[in-house]
Amino acid sequence: EAGVTQSPTHLIKTRGQQATLRCSPISGHTSVYWYQQALGLGLQFLLWYDEGEERNRGNFPPRFSGRQFPNYSSELNVNALELEDSALYLCASSLNQGGNQPQHFGDGTRLSIL
Amino acid sequence: AQSVTQLDSQVPVFEEAPVELRCNYSSSVSVYLFWYVQYPNQGLQLLLKYLSGSTLVESINGFEAEFNKSQTSFHLRKPSVHISDTAEYFCAVSRTGFQKLVFGTGTRLLVSP
Repeated sequence: EAGVTQSPTHLIKTRGQQATLRCSPISGHTSVYWYQQALGLGLQFLLWYDEGEERNRGNFPPRFSGRQFPNYSSELNVNALELEDSALYLCASSLNQGGNQPQHFGDGTRLSIL
Repeated sequence: AQSVTQLDSQVPVFEEAPVELRCNYSSSVSVYLFWYVQYPNQGLQLLLKYLSGSTLVESINGFEAEFNKSQTSFHLRKPSVHISDTAEYFCAVSRTGFQKLVFGTGTRLLVSP
């Protein structure tokens, strides 16, 4: 069974640009989650999508947005990039069964802002 | 809101020695508990989970964790560590009925020969 795949592995941008990160969940999983792992800040929940809709959002500004496609893959978009957006962005997927299904993570996209 | 505390940012240990990584959580409602491991330049891998039932849960690679409701703890233990266990370990909690995972700050386990 293929795991969660993320692309690209690395992304280098400059301040003010926009970044798009992609995630393909495990086959059969309808829920996709995005987390930010920034140095010194730990893992922070960003977004949760299920069945194409945003279900929950973490404490991040609106320039962090995303969507989920009919095939359950997902994109995370970050507009007006700032230096502090430099981080590892992790995508996870799970079945949607009330939180008792473990989330399976991809290897992440490392976003570097110059 | 839930929160997770991992008091030890780094735990150095010699190979074949026992280890305990501490995790305490706070929540006013029922929760699910997880331990994840992250190797360098990789994502997180699920190590073990507590959903309900037996308070002692085990992983396939020798780790175990015990859910203690009265002490709101979910400490991770291994009786004998290997060099290959060197990694960062994250404790996480989710509220029953919700999907969001709240992570601790992680504990870096350093196993030396």
